[in-house]
Amino acid sequence: TQLLEQSPQFLSIQEGENLTVYCNSSSVFSSLQWYRQEPGEGPVLLVTVVTGGEVKKLKRLTFQFGDARKDSSLHITAAQPGDTGLYLCAGEEGGSNYKLTFGKGTLLTVNP
Amino acid sequence: SQTIHQWPATLVQPVGSPLSLECTVEGTSNPNLYWYRQAAGRGLQLLFYSVGIGQISSEVPQNLSASRPQDRQFILSSKKLLLSDSGFYLCAWSVPRDRTYNEQFFGPGTRLTVL
Repeated sequence: TQLLEQSPQFLSIQEGENLTVYCNSSSVFSSLQWYRQEPGEGPVLLVTVVTGGEVKKLKRLTFQFGDARKDSSLHITAAQPGDTGLYLCAGEEGGSNYKLTFGKGTLLTVNP
Repeated sequence: SQTIHQWPATLVQPVGSPLSLECTVEGTSNPNLYWYRQAAGRGLQLLFYSVGIGQISSEVPQNLSASRPQDRQFILSSKKLLLSDSGFYLCAWSVPRDRTYNEQFFGPGTRLTVL
């Protein structure tokens, strides 16, 4: 079983601060997705990274895939209360087994 | 555009009663379909996935079952619910593997409480 560890598990910050959350594994993934989930709703896909060292930006969010495709990070600049939610990373193993392995998530609270 | 529906949105059932949760996808053909359970708002546990009508793969042995009677319909069932079946059930779809990597798109979920 491939495992994805996310850190920190909980993060509470003030509006305007910057933050980084991490997603780490000892396994290599062919792609990695980041999702955000709000309470009582399904996760929403934010981004997919597939190439080692790849960096993608989505407004104030910056996603990076590690060179070895074993880890990823999400950096948020000038966090806003609307960024509050559970951030989940999910890795796809090579070999076309149709499955994603999800981390347990980072629960982010941005206080106004 | 593609949409995914789940119902009911919430459900309260007594222990030992049957269960049927339904998921339907619109706007795509031959999707991969998935059932997940999420406990306490944290990580997702894959329960079942399907790559075609009548094709079901089970990830976790338990008293739940899944069926795919139509291309875009996925059903999660139980004959007798346990207290431990309580949770947030999510259905997801993805485009088949040979056209893209496995980005999954989730429904709104069903909150199940077993009393």
